[in-house]
Amino acid sequence: LAKTTQPISMDSYEGQEVNITCSHNNIATNDYITWYQQFPSQGPRFIIQGYKTKVTNEVASLFIPADRKSSTLSLPRVSLSDTAVYYCLVGRRDTGFQKLVFGTGTRLLVSP
Amino acid sequence: DVKVTQSSRYLVKRTGEKVFLECVQDMDHENMFWYRQDPGLGLRLIYFSYDVKMKEKGDIPEGYSVSREKKERFSLILESASTNQTSMYLCASKRQDVWNTEAFFGQGTRLTVV
Repeated sequence: LAKTTQPISMDSYEGQEVNITCSHNNIATNDYITWYQQFPSQGPRFIIQGYKTKVTNEVASLFIPADRKSSTLSLPRVSLSDTAVYYCLVGRRDTGFQKLVFGTGTRLLVSP
Repeated sequence: DVKVTQSSRYLVKRTGEKVFLECVQDMDHENMFWYRQDPGLGLRLIYFSYDVKMKEKGDIPEGYSVSREKKERFSLILESASTNQTSMYLCASKRQDVWNTEAFFGQGTRLTVV
């Protein structure tokens, strides 16, 4: 499975757009990119997944450049409730993501 | 809504005890996972199961075993609990689908071994 690298922490203010970038230099052709969010004292929650270009849902957008060696999770107009840890995962599509491997994630702190 | 239920939210056990952590999911998912989470280390995969009676080791299986006798239930067993197994334990389940990366997590069990 491709190793991922993300910033340990980020700070933002309410109403700002937050972009968290994940590096996955050895991503393979069949690999998907997935992001999860974890609030304190809760299990992680799936946010978004993508393979290439841009994916958007009601929570976030995921930007993946053509070389797919990195990806950026974009959170529009964050609020205090977006304070959480965000994990980037890369997994092999042809194995059905049987093995979900999390890293240490990015701790986002949103201040008033 | 998918529900993944872990049997205990908090657990205190003594060193050397055999500990069972239970996890039940109600969505007929094929894949189930056990993780432990420690400050600064993120989530680390202990074991996962892709079907009944099928299991594979994750990244840190030492000191743990698992059991999956029924599709909905995945148990994590600490054969002889030690203080370094004090941690938050998280169970997850996922549909077996090559296009699907969405796993559902339980609320976690905070285990303290004294």
